[in-house]
Amino acid sequence: NAGVTQTPKFQVLKTGQSMTLQCAQDMNHEYMSWYRQDPGMGLRLIHYSVGAGITDQGEVPNGYNVSRSTTEDFPLRLLSAAPSQTSVYFCASRGELGGEYFGAGTRLSVL
Amino acid sequence: KNEVEQSPQNLTAQEGEFITINCSYSVGISALHWLQQHPGGGIVSLFMLSSGKKKHGRLIATINIQEKHSSLHITASHPRDSAVYICAVLRGTGNQFYFGTGTSLTVIP
Repeated sequence: NAGVTQTPKFQVLKTGQSMTLQCAQDMNHEYMSWYRQDPGMGLRLIHYSVGAGITDQGEVPNGYNVSRSTTEDFPLRLLSAAPSQTSVYFCASRGELGGEYFGAGTRLSVL
Repeated sequence: KNEVEQSPQNLTAQEGEFITINCSYSVGISALHWLQQHPGGGIVSLFMLSSGKKKHGRLIATINIQEKHSSLHITASHPRDSAVYICAVLRGTGNQFYFGTGTSLTVIP
């Protein structure tokens, strides 16, 4: 049981490049989410999904796309990277008791 | 103004001290989550509570729904407790967590 697996751990992009952050969970959780963490700010919700085929926007969705074709996978796509998207990204899934299980994080730099 | 406020922002303690971290929130909630994040590391769930008190080892979390306040206590603190502690609330309506900015704890040997 690996929990929530995020890849890659580190990534450097140039402005305008696109990329996909991968997230997979093996706990059969319906609810999954993507957060970004910036210095001096709390974790902020980018997008979330309450089940396969269902996604919705969080607090800071602009510049990001998500899809949920299976219960296990919830990738986050950066369409055209900007320096403002430099951040640490966390994927999470929510257990039956309501607590969030977080991945190890992806540290992204956009130059 | 952030809906979730934590205090203190930074805390330095000597090994063995009793530590309290506070979390206040301004909205109605269905649950509150305490999380731990080690430097450069991932985020780990410590407690999820909606009333009363929970204990796990040297960690104790309490919540007072009427006062919209929760505390995380660490007894007999140890350098390995050095981390950022994050409070998050799940609103009574909706299913999104709202996070505090964290309390950075350093325990000195």
